[in-house]
Amino acid sequence: ETGVTQTPRHLVMGMTNKKSLKCEQHLGHNAMYWYKQSAKKPLELMFVYSLEERVENNSVPSRFSPECPNSSHLFLHLHTLQPEDSALYLCASSRDRNPSGNTIYFGEGSWLTVV
Amino acid sequence: GESVGLHLPTLSVQEGDNSIINCAYSNSASDYFIWYKQESGKGPQFIIDIRSNMDKRQGQRVTVLLNKTVKHLSLQIAATQPGDSAVYFCAEKPPYNQGGKLIFGQGTELSVKP
Repeated sequence: ETGVTQTPRHLVMGMTNKKSLKCEQHLGHNAMYWYKQSAKKPLELMFVYSLEERVENNSVPSRFSPECPNSSHLFLHLHTLQPEDSALYLCASSRDRNPSGNTIYFGEGSWLTVV
Repeated sequence: GESVGLHLPTLSVQEGDNSIINCAYSNSASDYFIWYKQESGKGPQFIIDIRSNMDKRQGQRVTVLLNKTVKHLSLQIAATQPGDSAVYFCAEKPPYNQGGKLIFGQGTELSVKP
């Protein structure tokens, strides 16, 4: 139990579907993140939220739309995805966004398959 | 491309032996480093971290060594157990004025033979 909970754990969706990934952190952290993990590739940072404000968008296609309604919850809305978007999507949180010694804690991830 | 890499993509050790997983980083100004463990089907799990003002830090059965001269980080696991089988990857954190975002390596797969 990492204190970061993601749902669903597995999702299969068609290219015309609209779905959402949900993340909740129980750590009292102020920063939340979405990462993408593809096979045999390093983690790719997608979005960063600090105190519910999006502070970073790493050139992610608009078919991925994040939402952070409060400091404990983070969503990733998905629409018209492509098969190459199939990956493990990881949510993470940290106490603050920048100071060193600021460990990022990950959830278990949501396995997404686009068919 | 990624600035953090691992020397060996796979490592196989006998149960009870010590394991050493290595990592090279590229930014000499990085001031914080983390090791994560990722078991199959799970998210990355924090193992141990170290700040750049230290060269060694010990945890329970794990030790991280930092050699800033050659920009090298290693994770030592004592008395490796089957439950240690996983992918291990390191991350470096450049200072805030250089982005401050964690940069992750690809990972080394550790396989423990019983």
